[in-house]
Amino acid sequence: GENVEQHPSTLSVQEGDSAVIKCTYSDSASNYFPWYKQELGKRPQLIIDIRSNVGEKKDQRIAVTLNKTAKHFSLHITETQPEDSAVYFCAASTQGSGAGSYQLTFGKGTKLSVIP
Amino acid sequence: NAGVTQTPKFQVLKTGQSMTLQCAQDMNHNSMYWYRQDPGMGLRLIYYSASEGTTDKGEVPNGYNVSRLNKREFSLRLESAAPSQTSVYFCASSERSPAKNIQYFGAGTRLSVL
Repeated sequence: GENVEQHPSTLSVQEGDSAVIKCTYSDSASNYFPWYKQELGKRPQLIIDIRSNVGEKKDQRIAVTLNKTAKHFSLHITETQPEDSAVYFCAASTQGSGAGSYQLTFGKGTKLSVIP
Repeated sequence: NAGVTQTPKFQVLKTGQSMTLQCAQDMNHNSMYWYRQDPGMGLRLIYYSASEGTTDKGEVPNGYNVSRLNKREFSLRLESAAPSQTSVYFCASSERSPAKNIQYFGAGTRLSVL
């Protein structure tokens, strides 16, 4: 099955600096890569995603890059703010065992702390 | 439009007790999922249902059963709870699409098994 590795597990940055979180995946058939943000005690929420036919996608201060050859993708947050402090999860979408079924395999998460 | 609703929010059980976690979505999604979240382990898939009438095992199905009651509802049952099942449980739903599997999560159920 799919295996998603995420690094680092914790990351501290000064407010205004950039943060980068990296993930690798094992299944070359994976074709959709979302990133979720989870604030303390809350549910995971999608912040950005990328399909396999795109190399980069940007949404204001957040960007994601994908290298299909190397099977890795990264989340970049620029001009970090205290409200960016949260746990971030990467995921890769793979086909499940049933016909027409798809599932996400998640990385173990990165706890980002933005220091004011 | 409430999205994905889970009940209960909190539960404490004694070892050996049984309970059912309820999940309902109002987004007309075909696919629904149950995850558990433990510190440092990320989100691990317990069971999923690609569409009404089908269920499949995920990464950690042992000790759990599920029922896809209809298109809206997907329940998770612990027949004989064990301390190792102490966790936060999340239900999620999504469209059934190969290229865009956005999953929307419920608020979670915090379960403690003593």
